[in-house]
Amino acid sequence: QKEVEQDPGPLSVPEGAIVSLNCTYSNSAFQYFMWYRQYSRKGPELLMYTYSSGNKEDGRFTAQVDKSSKYISLFIRDSQPSDSATYLCAMSDVGNQFYFGTGTSLTVIP
Amino acid sequence: NAGVTQTPKFQVLKTGQSMTLQCAQDMNHNSMYWYRQDPGMGLRLIYYSASEGTTDKGEVPNGYNVSRLNKREFSLRLESAAPSQTSVYFCASSGGARDPFFGPGTRLTVL
Repeated sequence: QKEVEQDPGPLSVPEGAIVSLNCTYSNSAFQYFMWYRQYSRKGPELLMYTYSSGNKEDGRFTAQVDKSSKYISLFIRDSQPSDSATYLCAMSDVGNQFYFGTGTSLTVIP
Repeated sequence: NAGVTQTPKFQVLKTGQSMTLQCAQDMNHNSMYWYRQDPGMGLRLIYYSASEGTTDKGEVPNGYNVSRLNKREFSLRLESAAPSQTSVYFCASSGGARDPFFGPGTRLTVL
């Protein structure tokens, strides 16, 4: 079993829809949770970072962590065509290694 | 402020050739990483360096070597390239157990 599981999609939604992206994990020691956005042929760029449980909001993006269920989510409100990308979840414990999901491909249709 | 830079951007090698991928960061981060990204496999850690002078193997180290030249630079060497090493290589750096910053990547094809 992989440390981090993420549905690869692809996910296709109409412009303006609410998008929900999810990851599950198995290591209860994970404390830092991240979401990256990766455009085609580009490097991953940090979108959201959360420490421990709870919600974090940044504009149209909300990151949610439920440590009791070992489940994290990223919500995108009022989705735009420019949100079309691959979204990767990542997490770490207090060490130096990061564990990534395989990414979910999202297309927002105008 | 350039962040993480990688050279070259693209490279084509023949089987058995060697090459070095260069990475540099200007964020004064202690930790640096080399990942490869393949379709359906996600990001897989090749090697990492928790601090200047230390390196450790990741998930897929075979066929690679690394050098942490100083705090800024971390290079990845392929001694004898194989077609299985065709991939996109990303360097990343981090100031701790959170949010690594990634470079733009190197697309490597081994024929």
